[in-house]
Amino acid sequence: QSALTQPASVSGSPGQSITISCTGTSSDVGSYNLVSWYQQHPGKAPKLMIYEVSKRPSGVSNRFSGSKSGNTASLTISGLQAEDEADYYCCSYAGSSTWVVFGGGTKLTVL
Amino acid sequence: QLQLQESGPGLVKPSETLSLTCTVSGGSISSSSYYWGWIRQPPGKGLEWIGSIYYSGSTYYNPSLKSRVTISVDTSKNQFSLKLSSVTAADTAVYYCARHRSDYDILTGYYYYYYMDVWGKGTTVTVSS
Repeated sequence: QSALTQPASVSGSPGQSITISCTGTSSDVGSYNLVSWYQQHPGKAPKLMIYEVSKRPSGVSNRFSGSKSGNTASLTISGLQAEDEADYYCCSYAGSSTWVVFGGGTKLTVL
Repeated sequence: QLQLQESGPGLVKPSETLSLTCTVSGGSISSSSYYWGWIRQPPGKGLEWIGSIYYSGSTYYNPSLKSRVTISVDTSKNQFSLKLSSVTAADTAVYYCARHRSDYDILTGYYYYYYMDVWGKGTTVTVSS
């Protein structure tokens, strides 16, 4: 069982927008603006897409955005493209004892 | 361009110790503000953080694995290593190394984890007799 809860799967058609939720607790997501999101294509290493809740690394499309409310963080992908089909993982700082926690991952299918 | 490369045996027997090394190229492992860590992914499952180390030797470990994990660093070789003892089939996974952006909190004396921005390609380790 993962520390952060994500839906197992989401889907959307090309051009649409989807949102993936990531629910933690007041010990991790709720206490720190240190949520990051990773995209993983099959057989590949994860890629950083969002950090510190809503910041995008250089080179990541502005179709990807992040937000947080209370203990839940969200990743929104707008203008869905076929290449967005992948697994997405959220991750958060969880204090000095636990340090890092991941979500269980969400499989995005572009219909 | 910073690159990370995992290396080590692809097959480990049950009850033995899994040993992997991550070699950092294109940059120094002694950079401030970065921890260096290990993450694994069992077949068909999600990511699990194992632990991380600073160039000074300071470490953070996943509490669920802490009793079996040792992470060390060799700054002269620009490498850091993972040892996982008493392995079982449940430890079969792709093991990744990654750079972790971190920051020091003067008030608490602890480092905060921010994100993992550079990853190795991963190496598959199978635990089987």
